Amino acid sequence: QQQVKQSPQSLIVQKGGISIINCAYENTAFDYFPWYQQFPGKGPALLIAIRPDVSEKKEGRFTISFNKSAKQFSLHIMDSQPGDSATYFCAASKDNFNKFYFGSGTKLNVKP
Amino acid sequence: NAGVMQNPRHLVRRRGQEARLRCSPMKGHSHVYWYRQLPEEGLKFMVYLQKENIIDESGMPKERFSAEFPKEGPSILRIQQVVRGDSAAYFCASSPRGDASYNEKLFFGSGTQLSVL
Repeated sequence: QQQVKQSPQSLIVQKGGISIINCAYENTAFDYFPWYQQFPGKGPALLIAIRPDVSEKKEGRFTISFNKSAKQFSLHIMDSQPGDSATYFCAASKDNFNKFYFGSGTKLNVKP
Repeated sequence: NAGVMQNPRHLVRRRGQEARLRCSPMKGHSHVYWYRQLPEEGLKFMVYLQKENIIDESGMPKERFSAEFPKEGPSILRIQQVVRGDSAAYFCASSPRGDASYNEKLFFGSGTQLSVL
């Protein structure tokens, strides 16, 4: 069964707009929630990550919002740029272990 | 500092042949992970290895698949008697420790695209 559910599957945003991608999980033992960015033909690269002891983490234009009670977390990309066009994956792991459960991915297209 | 190196980038095999995928972790990294990505899907964990040890192979199919990370040389993911359903992108990742602590990154290679004819 899908441990981490991600939506939407695809997203089109105008340059300068806000991109929002959502993920939900079931396993309350998860304690590490990273977001990965993947360009075509490349491996995923860590973008930003959060632990459940905080509700928000911001790095530049990228923000993770985390709602522990709802078991949901989301990625916000402010001032989206065409260079942000990529596939984004949320993930979760537990016990400080690099075995990640990935969401199914969101293909983001930022139009100029 | 070279990143995680995977080769080949593309591998074509006929049904029944063997596929060998190689992964050289980043310098100083002794933990290697293999993930499989099917088209339009997220990555699925396969196996976690340290030098000469398999730590977690819970994501590996029970048959035909094996992995190793010898004391010297790259990690190898081996698929025997490949079938069309094995066609996927296989990604290797490495980390200095097996600890997804907040400040530790998991570095992925560019993957090997396996196509089974």
